[in-house]
Formats: sequence, C-alpha cells, structure tokens
Amino acid sequence: GQQLNQSPQSMFIQEGEDVSMNCTSSSIFNTWLWYKQEPGEGPVLLIALYKAGELTSNGRLTAQFGITRKDSFLNISASIPSDVGIYFCAGLRTGANSKLTFGKGITLSVRP
Amino acid sequence: DVKVTQSSRYLVKRTGEKVFLECVQDMDHENMFWYRQDPGLGLRLIYFSYDVKMKEKGDIPEGYSVSREKKERFSLILESASTNQTSMYLCASSDMRGALVDTQYFGPGTRLTVL
Repeated sequence: GQQLNQSPQSMFIQEGEDVSMNCTSSSIFNTWLWYKQEPGEGPVLLIALYKAGELTSNGRLTAQFGITRKDSFLNISASIPSDVGIYFCAGLRTGANSKLTFGKGITLSVRP
Repeated sequence: DVKVTQSSRYLVKRTGEKVFLECVQDMDHENMFWYRQDPGLGLRLIYFSYDVKMKEKGDIPEGYSVSREKKERFSLILESASTNQTSMYLCASSDMRGALVDTQYFGPGTRLTVL
C-alpha cells in the first residue's frame, strides 16, 4: 500500500538541540498522527491532529497539520537522551473502513 | 488509558507449526488491527476487523488468518509458520469517531522467530 514519505531515515542531534521532522504525501489525509517507538516496544501515540492548520503541543513536542492536508511536521524542543527512538507519522482518510497509512519512520539519536 | 496487551513478547517456533498470537484491548474499541514490522519496510497491515466475527484483508494477508469471536480479543493465526514470517507483530485497536475510524493504539508487540 501507499506509504508516507519521511526522511532522512536517521537523525543525530546533540542533547538540548531542537529537531524537526516532516512527513509528506501526494494524497490528502483527514487525520495526521505521530507515534514514537522505543526498541522492543510498540508505537506510542504522541499527538493526533484532526483539522487542517491545527497546531498541537504535548510537552516539548509540537505538531502541525499542513494546510494542504498533504503534510505534517513534528518538532521536539530541548532534546534529552530519552527522546531516542523511531518517530512514525501516520495518515487517515475519511471513511468508516479507512486504514492508517504509515511513514517508514525516522530513527532519532541524541548524543549526551 | 487505553490498554492493548499481546499474549507473548517473544516467541520461537519451528517451521510448519501452527502459531497463535493473541491481542486483547480493554477499551471496548470497535476496530482491531494486526501489523507486522520489518526493518526497511515499516508497518504493514495484515488483517483488520471492524466488528465481532468480521474480518478484512490488509495489504499482506497471505499465510495468515484471524479470528474475532469477542469484541475485546483479536487473534492472528499462522497456519503453517515459515521462516519469512519471522518478524515483529503489532496489534492495534481504535474506536469510531462519529462515522470515522479514530486514532489507533498499539500493543507492545510480539517478536516471533521461526526456525
């Protein structure tokens, strides 16, 4: 099935830095979700976005639903070592039987 | 908080064995999903269910079947396990938001190795 575009595959940052991740698609989505997955665990929902233009924060995380409905970004401010993990974006279209479309994820490493 | 649990965190089986992966959610969610996750391929949907006794094929259903006899439980079955089914298996559940499928919540995953 179609996948969302997330790049680069890996990011390396210094503790305390801010980092921004983008997720793009050629199709429109009605819901954008951001998940974080730590090694050996399932993905955990970070932020859900339901409306174009919506900007939502969860602690040091901020995510936005793009105006075109074809993209979303996630910002992490003042990174800490426990931010390491894989960050997935996912999109959902309108429809009772709709399925999530996932990006392949970005692996974030934070150097102390 | 939503809780999705999976019966095993790690499982080792032999080629040809029948394998059952169980998933239980405690939030009365309508929808349940099974994915597999492989390096470089991301999350791929195997099967999903929008109601008890109802199932639909996802993107990669071959070699798998599912069962949903009760609303809270969704089982993934590998009829005859093969080495290419070695993977991380993730279960998820979601509610309906009006007429729309809502956000999915994931279990911790089962790392299956088929020898």
